[in-house]
Amino acid sequence: QKEVEQDPGPLSVPEGAIVSLNCTYSNSAFQYFMWYRQYSRKGPELLMYTYSSGNKEDGRFTAQVDKSSKYISLFIRDSQPSDSATYLCAMSEKTSYDKVIFGPGTSLSVIP
Amino acid sequence: NAGVMQNPRHLVRRRGQEARLRCSPMKGHSHVYWYRQLPEEGLKFMVYLQKENIIDESGMPKERFSAEFPKEGPSILRIQQVVRGDSAAYFCASSPVGQGSGELFFGEGSRLTVL
Repeated sequence: QKEVEQDPGPLSVPEGAIVSLNCTYSNSAFQYFMWYRQYSRKGPELLMYTYSSGNKEDGRFTAQVDKSSKYISLFIRDSQPSDSATYLCAMSEKTSYDKVIFGPGTSLSVIP
Repeated sequence: NAGVMQNPRHLVRRRGQEARLRCSPMKGHSHVYWYRQLPEEGLKFMVYLQKENIIDESGMPKERFSAEFPKEGPSILRIQQVVRGDSAAYFCASSPVGQGSGELFFGEGSRLTVL
């Protein structure tokens, strides 16, 4: 079993749709949960960050973490063509440095 | 430019040659991470360095790969005697001292093609 699993897609939605992206993981020691966005031919950029379980909202984006199920989600409301990118879930243990483990990424296209 | 700088952006090598990839972290960051990204795969951790120290190289292949972060100058990822399987995008990331929160700042990547 891979440490972090994520449906690779591709996922194609019309503009304005609600998008749900998900990951599962196996390592119960993970404490920090992130979503990174990566545009084509670019480096990943941090989109959302959550410590332990719970929800976090930032504008059109909501991140959810359910540690009991080892399941994390990212919701995008009112999706825009500019949201078209690959979304990487990521997580790390609580250590003194940032050894971040990434999922394989989900490719999202938002069609105008 | 205060971001993570990587060069070269694109590198073509023939089998058996050496590849050197350079990374300058964000200003004020002293922790550098190297990741490799293969098509259809996520970013795979390779190595974590601080100035003059390799802290965690658990993701580095045992042979042909090495990394350094000297007191002066950029971090360098070196791949000796490259093979076609080394073709990938190599990303460098940096973080502030002792953050431990998972927030990494990535460069644009160096794309290595081995002919």
